[in-house]
Amino acid sequence: EVQLLESGGALVQSGGSLRLSCVASGFIFHDCAMSWVRQAPGKGLEWVATSSHSGASTFYADSVKGRFTISKDNSQDTLHLQMNSLRAEDAAIYYCAKDLNRSWRIIDYWGQGTLVNVSS
Amino acid sequence: QPVLTQSSSASASLGSSVKLTCTLSSGHRTFIIAWHQQQPGKAPRYLMSLEQSGNYNRGSGVPDRFSGSSSGADRYLTISNLQSEDEADYYCETWDTYIQVFGGGTKLTVL
Repeated sequence: EVQLLESGGALVQSGGSLRLSCVASGFIFHDCAMSWVRQAPGKGLEWVATSSHSGASTFYADSVKGRFTISKDNSQDTLHLQMNSLRAEDAAIYYCAKDLNRSWRIIDYWGQGTLVNVSS
Repeated sequence: QPVLTQSSSASASLGSSVKLTCTLSSGHRTFIIAWHQQQPGKAPRYLMSLEQSGNYNRGSGVPDRFSGSSSGADRYLTISNLQSEDEADYYCETWDTYIQVFGGGTKLTVL
């Protein structure tokens, strides 16, 4: 059974930093691209970042480029999201997600989410 | 980059069928998409992948009441024999070389 367990969400001041983690199990982690997707209160889903299966390639939404860093630790089956220079508009539930396969970069499993709040 | 357009809301009666639409932007009508369901207060759940040909593959444990189809730039999600638990937000998703994209979501109300 695929499981994605996020942690690290917290209340942080505007301009601060936070590191989210996602521990994966139930599939071959090093074979899969992984993503972070967020959802602000009452809003839709917004893709944040993706790491290729090896971690060698990373992709970011324009809204977080230069502030957030996605990393993939294949030795620990863990995905991270380092978030710096946080803004009020970054407040959201952050979901860890597994991509279907290396060729089809659509999500086929979701974590339960971790909440990030940003105070001004 | 691709843009996915969804109606903001839909409604249908318990036990009936409903067809939700996700429209791909010009120049992206061949793209593969995914459908996801998000019940109130829960994380999203993957329902299926859907190709331009209309070929679809449901995710693990997804009931066969959920089916997909395509026509041109439109990708459809049909839910048959609507149940109360189908009341949820439904999102489509696709990708391009450097990005992944979600539609704005359709809020389905089961009457």
